[in-house]
Amino acid sequence: GESVGLHLPTLSVQEGDNSIINCAYSNSASDYFIWYKQESGKGPQFIIDIRSNMDKRQGQRVTVLLNKTVKHLSLQIAATQPGDSAVYFCAENKTPGRRALTFGSGTRLQVQP
Amino acid sequence: DTGVSQDPRHKITKRGQNVTFRCDPISEHNRLYWYRQTLGQGPEFLTYFQNEAQLEKSRLLSDRFSAERPKGSFSTLEIQRTEQGDSAMYLCATDRSSSGNTIYFGEGSWLTVV
Repeated sequence: GESVGLHLPTLSVQEGDNSIINCAYSNSASDYFIWYKQESGKGPQFIIDIRSNMDKRQGQRVTVLLNKTVKHLSLQIAATQPGDSAVYFCAENKTPGRRALTFGSGTRLQVQP
Repeated sequence: DTGVSQDPRHKITKRGQNVTFRCDPISEHNRLYWYRQTLGQGPEFLTYFQNEAQLEKSRLLSDRFSAERPKGSFSTLEIQRTEQGDSAMYLCATDRSSSGNTIYFGEGSWLTVV
C-alpha cells in the first residue's frame, strides 16, 4: 500500500523498550488533543485523547502527557511491539467549540525485533 | 464490518474529469468529517456535517469541491474538473455528539489525477 510518511522524523526502538513520541502544538487555546496511529495504506486509528484540564491520561500500554506551559504533548508506549510500527500523529482542536482538528506532521516509529 | 466505510478505495482519473467519493458512517454517528491527506503530511480538515447540516468548511474546500449529506447518513464528496494537485487520500471520519469527541476514520479513498 501507499506510504503516508515519506520524509518523516523517525524513532527507532528495540522490541520491548518504551517509546516516547513528542509533539509541539501551536495554539495555547487548544482544549483537546488526540493521538492517532496510521499504518501504511490505512486511515488513522484513534489511540488516546486528553483534554486541556488534564496533565496525564493512561490507556492500555499508552500514556499521554500534556504540558501546557511549553505547549508540548507526548505519547509513551510501554513494551513496544512490532505491531506498533506506524506513523503517529498528534492532533489538536485549535478552536474550542468547533470540530475541525489540526494534525501535526507525524513521526514514524520503527520497532526492531 | 461496522466501521466507517469509504468507496471507492482507489480512483485514477484524467485531469479535468469529475470524481465522487462516498462515505458510510458508523451506525448512529451523527457527525461526519472529510479530511484530505497528501504523502508525508498529516490529514487536513475539509468539512464537517452534523446530521444533514454542513456546519464547517475549510478554506481548502475550493468551489470545485462539494460535499453533501442529504439524509444525515451517508455523505458524498465531489471534485469537479480535477487537477493534478487534487491527488491525495480523502478520509472520512465520524463520531456521535453524545459520546464525547472520539473521531473514527475510514480507510480513505486514494485519488490519482493523471
